[in-house]
Amino acid sequence: DAGVIQSPRHEVTEMGQEVTLRCKPISGHDYLFWYRQTMMRGLELLIYFNNNVPIDDSGMPEDRFSAKMPNASFSTLKIQPSEPRDSAVYFCASSARLAGIQGANTGELFFGEGSRLTVL
Amino acid sequence: SQELEQSPQSLIVQEGKNLTINCTSSKTLYGLYWYKQKYGEGLIFLMMLQKGGEEKSHEKITAKLDEKKQQSSLHITASQPSHAGIYLCGADDNTDKLIFGTGTRLQVFP
Repeated sequence: DAGVIQSPRHEVTEMGQEVTLRCKPISGHDYLFWYRQTMMRGLELLIYFNNNVPIDDSGMPEDRFSAKMPNASFSTLKIQPSEPRDSAVYFCASSARLAGIQGANTGELFFGEGSRLTVL
Repeated sequence: SQELEQSPQSLIVQEGKNLTINCTSSKTLYGLYWYKQKYGEGLIFLMMLQKGGEEKSHEKITAKLDEKKQQSSLHITASQPSHAGIYLCGADDNTDKLIFGTGTRLQVFP
């Protein structure tokens, strides 16, 4: 398997523009997570999906952020309009059920390489 | 909500030295995960601890979870430049999601 695939790897845009980040999870994984990483705030969970359904979006900063998962193999994170404070590395991760739920797997999250966003 | 504190925030050690990174949770953990991140890259899973008192090792890295399941330590023996990166602990409180600590930035110099 190719692992979690994110695109674009780098995005530079101007304030006010719409940004769309894309993620292809590992086939067979039923959980998908979007994280944001900055020097100041570390790695923050934005939203996660289970079986394509958003379960918890309490980490989404504000209404400018939205995420969708139209099918099991694709998810998007959209920022509209973008602002300089949105500059960060955005990670997508997928997993089978975490170990906290009844199951035999390790609960490991598999991360993509990240999308580095710079908003000027 | 669950909070994780890591210490130290950064660490600079000479190659060959041992080091320890700590992770403290505000709540009892169901699962504690250690990840490593190389600069500019994604996170790589190291190991997961679930039982109080559990200890796991992989090559020169050993992780322990205390009996109360609120504190974990990651110990590296005889550090090498390849160990450099950011180490993050993650907590699973049995709600499907994984939240992460603040991270510890490790530098190893020859």
